[in-house]
Amino acid sequence: AQSVTQLGSHVSVSEGALVLLRCNYSSSVPPYLFWYVQYPNQGLQLLLKYTSAATLVKGINGFEAEFKKSETSFHLTKPSAHMSDAAEYFCAVSALDTGRRALTFGSGTRLQVQP
Amino acid sequence: AAGVIQSPRHLIKEKRETATLKCYPIPRHDTVYWYQQGPGQDPQFLISFYEKMQSDKGSIPDRFSAQQFSDYHSELNMSSLELGDSALYFCASSPKGRSNTGELFFGEGSRLTVL
Repeated sequence: AQSVTQLGSHVSVSEGALVLLRCNYSSSVPPYLFWYVQYPNQGLQLLLKYTSAATLVKGINGFEAEFKKSETSFHLTKPSAHMSDAAEYFCAVSALDTGRRALTFGSGTRLQVQP
Repeated sequence: AAGVIQSPRHLIKEKRETATLKCYPIPRHDTVYWYQQGPGQDPQFLISFYEKMQSDKGSIPDRFSAQQFSDYHSELNMSSLELGDSALYFCASSPKGRSNTGELFFGEGSRLTVL
């Protein structure tokens, strides 16, 4: 079985500051890891994904994440926050190799960006 | 590019009524997933279909059923609705074979309100 834990249900940063959203995973097989963003009353949009290639993954809107097997982590970062980054962020895991393609989501982190 | 289409976008029902949600996956996607997202919660996997057969089952209540049709669209049928069924219901799809990198493509969701 796979699971993800997102540390911090709410994160608040100032505009221009570093964004760090934490995600730790648990998986009995090599995981596929994803970050999705959800704006109010909208669907889930993929930010980036790790599928066993490069451990540092770059996504849209200046976000990136690093897969660290030793720490079972896949933290999301952005060097400089923008007001438009305010949203809910979900880390997710799947185990494609096992044929289970459904994603398991973390509990989400709401990012607030202060002017 | 074509996206996942869900209908209706909003639905209001009374307790004990039934509701049907529809999902049209991206062309050439063969797998459909249903998720339920309660207020302030993470998306919970309900059920998925691969090539019109149920492929995985999550926390779908017995009052709910779903199927995938020959044109790959899917319908989620909910009966004996309860107040707790009020949620945003997402459909997602994923592509066939080698095109599948584990990413799920989400629709905008159908918001069900049970009064």
